[in-house]
Amino acid sequence: GESVGLHLPTLSVQEGDNSIINCAYSNSASDYFIWYKQESGKGPQFIIDIRSNMDKRQGQRVTVLLNKTVKHLSLQIAATQPGDSAVYFCAEEMTGNQFYFGTGTSLTVIP
Amino acid sequence: KAGVTQTPRYLIKTRGQQVTLSCSPISGHRSVSWYQQTPGQGLQFLFEYFSETQRNKGNFPGRFSGRQFSNSRSEMNVSTLELGDSALYLCASSLESMNTEAFFGQGTRLTVV
Repeated sequence: GESVGLHLPTLSVQEGDNSIINCAYSNSASDYFIWYKQESGKGPQFIIDIRSNMDKRQGQRVTVLLNKTVKHLSLQIAATQPGDSAVYFCAEEMTGNQFYFGTGTSLTVIP
Repeated sequence: KAGVTQTPRYLIKTRGQQVTLSCSPISGHRSVSWYQQTPGQGLQFLFEYFSETQRNKGNFPGRFSGRQFSNSRSEMNVSTLELGDSALYLCASSLESMNTEAFFGQGTRLTVV
């Protein structure tokens, strides 16, 4: 029979614009979250993490926002560059280093 | 500092065979987790090892097993391979567990024919 693959949300942005990638998580008890970037043919690459005692954390060109009330994470990328084109995953830690990954969002940066 | 190393990078096996994949974590990291990534199911947790003990296990059949050695290197084994086992198998290492950064290797692309 026909296999059904995951439908990846997609986001296209112009180079230089800001990107916002959203993620809903499932477990209100999760207290640690990571954003990963995965380029074609490579393993996921750590971008930034946040613990549940924080609402916001900033890195280089990236900011993660955590809204525990609605179980929502977002990743903001400032001044998006062509090298940012990839699939982005949010991951929540369930128990001891077991992460549950979202389906991912495919980001395409238009030069 | 070397990253997470997985070997081999690519593997082709026949249905019914078994396969062993290897993961060398970042030096000093004691926790190693394994994930299966497929287009249909995304990234799914297989199991986690810490100090040579399996500490967490995902929802996979018993054909999937693993172990960790005293140097923290880990292997996973899949017996009686099925076509549906074709996937990218990823290993992640972290210093400890719980609220610490997990770094992934490049993965082993397994194709079952």
